[in-house]
Amino acid sequence: DGGITQSPKYLFRKEGQNVTLSCEQNLNHDAMYWYRQDPGQGLRLIYYSQIVNDFQKGDIAEGYSVSREKKESFPLTVTSAQKNPTAFYLCASAVQTGAYEQYFGPGTRLTVT
Amino acid sequence: AQSVTQPDIHITVSEGASLELRCNYSYGATPYLFWYVQSPGQGLQLLLKYFSGDTLVQGIKGFEAEFKRSQSSFNLRKPSVHWSDAAEYFCAVGAHSGNTPLVFGKGTRLSVIA
Repeated sequence: DGGITQSPKYLFRKEGQNVTLSCEQNLNHDAMYWYRQDPGQGLRLIYYSQIVNDFQKGDIAEGYSVSREKKESFPLTVTSAQKNPTAFYLCASAVQTGAYEQYFGPGTRLTVT
Repeated sequence: AQSVTQPDIHITVSEGASLELRCNYSYGATPYLFWYVQSPGQGLQLLLKYFSGDTLVQGIKGFEAEFKRSQSSFNLRKPSVHWSDAAEYFCAVGAHSGNTPLVFGKGTRLSVIA
């Protein structure tokens, strides 16, 4: 089955720790995205990548970092510098960046206490 | 840059009633438009999309949307709502050229009552 996987579904961390969220796709898509979702805020773009070894900041990149060493993988690290890391994180991919439909993973709910 | 507004934060409809969710966009040229649905705690699923051509587009789960250039709108409709339609709905707009990612609205939460 082609699709996007995110793991784990739920993640708990102590304040001050970095945490990495996994996102893998087997759709052979060039573009990948990370969004943060908070109640009433819609989707806010954190980072996106058009191609391997390249990525761009989105609207709320502060406190986050990414890498794109393989086409299939786009992990997101939530650093201790992120002031309010508790949220639902969604990964998506598309054939290319731009006005192409995005395919979404099931999401990871991160809770930091 | 493109933008999108979903004026209704929350809508409640009775099961079997018709539904219309509003979406207004801002973009200088003909946009690419999308509607997505999200069940609680899940990812987003594409319902339908408009790129060009017929302004009335059909999607999955019995949904349709109409592109109205004069009103800068792309409203989502369904003639008869089922309880399983209760979810959050997102409209998104994309630019005709360039590599700018899609811009999503803040969403409309749909509740369905018996």
